[in-house]
Amino acid sequence: RKEVEQDPGPFNVPEGATVAFNCTYSNSASQSFFWYRQDCRKEPKLLMSVYSSGNEDGRFTAQLNRASQYISLLISDSKDSDSATYLCVVHTGGFKTIFGAGTRLFVKA
Amino acid sequence: DAGVIQSPRHEVTEMGQEVTLRCKPISGHNSLFWYRQTMMRGLELLIYFNNNVPIDDSGMPEDRFSAKMPNASFSTLKIQPSEPRDSAVYFCASSPRLAGGDTQYFGPGTRLTVL
Repeated sequence: RKEVEQDPGPFNVPEGATVAFNCTYSNSASQSFFWYRQDCRKEPKLLMSVYSSGNEDGRFTAQLNRASQYISLLISDSKDSDSATYLCVVHTGGFKTIFGAGTRLFVKA
Repeated sequence: DAGVIQSPRHEVTEMGQEVTLRCKPISGHNSLFWYRQTMMRGLELLIYFNNNVPIDDSGMPEDRFSAKMPNASFSTLKIQPSEPRDSAVYFCASSPRLAGGDTQYFGPGTRLTVL
């Protein structure tokens, strides 16, 4: 089993739709969680951190469920510019940070 | 402020040749990471440095790969000899703190093709 698993997609949605991605992690001692975004042929960039109580940043909502060991990302009112690969990132302690394989999203205008 | 700088951006070489990738982290950042990304394997951590010292190189695939960080503003990843299966995008990233779990800032990557 991979330490961090994501549905690879692709998710194809129309503009204005709400889309949710889940990510599961295997190490129950994991400490920090993030979502990164990677555009085609570009480097990954931090989208948002994920806090225990859940957090929002505009149209993006992140949640953490420690009991079930998963994190989620909800994108509401999706836009063409949201088309990208979304990487789930888990910090398991020390310097070990693991990137998921990513979920591809295509938003059709 | 300048972000992480990598060079070259593209490299095409023949099997058996030595390849050197370069990285300049963001000034003041204490941790530096080298990653490799392929379609098949995704983003893989190769090695990371903390205060110029290699902390974990367990992700380095073979002895053909080596990395150095002679000072806080420069790191290299060397492949000698290169093989076609080394073709990938190699990213360098840096983060501010000594502890892990901090935001990583990625460079634009070096796209390596080994023929």
